[in-house]
Amino acid sequence: RKEVEQDPGPFNVPEGATVAFNCTYSNSASQSFFWYRQDCRKEPKLLMSVYSSGNEDGRFTAQLNRASQYISLLIRDSKLSDSATYLCAVNMRENTGGFKTIFGAGTRLFVKA
Amino acid sequence: GAVVSQHPSWVICKSGTSVKIECRSLDFQATTMFWYRQFPKQSLMLMATSNEGSKATYEQGVEKDKFLINHASLTLSTLTVTSAHPEDSSFYICSARTQILAGGGNEQFFGPGTRLTVL
Repeated sequence: RKEVEQDPGPFNVPEGATVAFNCTYSNSASQSFFWYRQDCRKEPKLLMSVYSSGNEDGRFTAQLNRASQYISLLIRDSKLSDSATYLCAVNMRENTGGFKTIFGAGTRLFVKA
Repeated sequence: GAVVSQHPSWVICKSGTSVKIECRSLDFQATTMFWYRQFPKQSLMLMATSNEGSKATYEQGVEKDKFLINHASLTLSTLTVTSAHPEDSSFYICSARTQILAGGGNEQFFGPGTRLTVL
C-alpha cells in the first residue's frame, strides 16, 4: 500500500463548479499535512497546510480527519486558473529524529469555460 | 517567501557521463534539504534527505553510489548522477525547509527543478 494515496483523476469541471479531492495516508504517526499545487513542468507550490480543526483560505477549504487518516481539499467556484495538479503531502518522522515529506501521486484538475 | 534555486535548469548529456545539480537556499540556512525525482505524469518521489555536515539518508531503492549527495554548507546541496543512462532522464527537484517546529510543522520550499535528458 502506498504511504499517501489520492483520487486518480483527472477531474474535468466547468467554471464555477465545486470540486473535492481526497487523500489517505497509511502512517498513523504522521505529523503534519499539506496540499500543494503543481503546474505543468514546474515545481510544487504550497497551497495550504491542513489542520485538524479545518482551515479555509478564500475558495479553498482543507480538512483533516486523523481517526480515518484522511485529508480533503475543497475548491469552490472553480476558475480556469485552478487547472493544475494537486498534491497531497504528509510529514513523517524518521528514525533519525528528522522529518521527511511524502507526496501523493497527485490529482489533475481541468477547469473548462 | 524563502527562495531555493537550482542549477542547471536543464541538461542534456550522453549516456555514461556524470551530471551535477546544485541546490541553493538563497535567503535562509537549510540544515536539511531533500532531493526528489519526478517522471512524467507521476508524483514526486523522495530520493534522499541531505544533511549538512553528515551523510545523506537515502530512500529504499535509491542507489547511493549512483546518486551522490553532498551538503557542504548550510546553503548548498549537490546531487551528482554518476554514469547517467537514459532511464535516469527525469525532473529532479530539491527542496529545503525553513524551520522545523515542535509538532513537525514547517514550510518546505522547492527549487524550480532540473530537467535531465540522457541520450
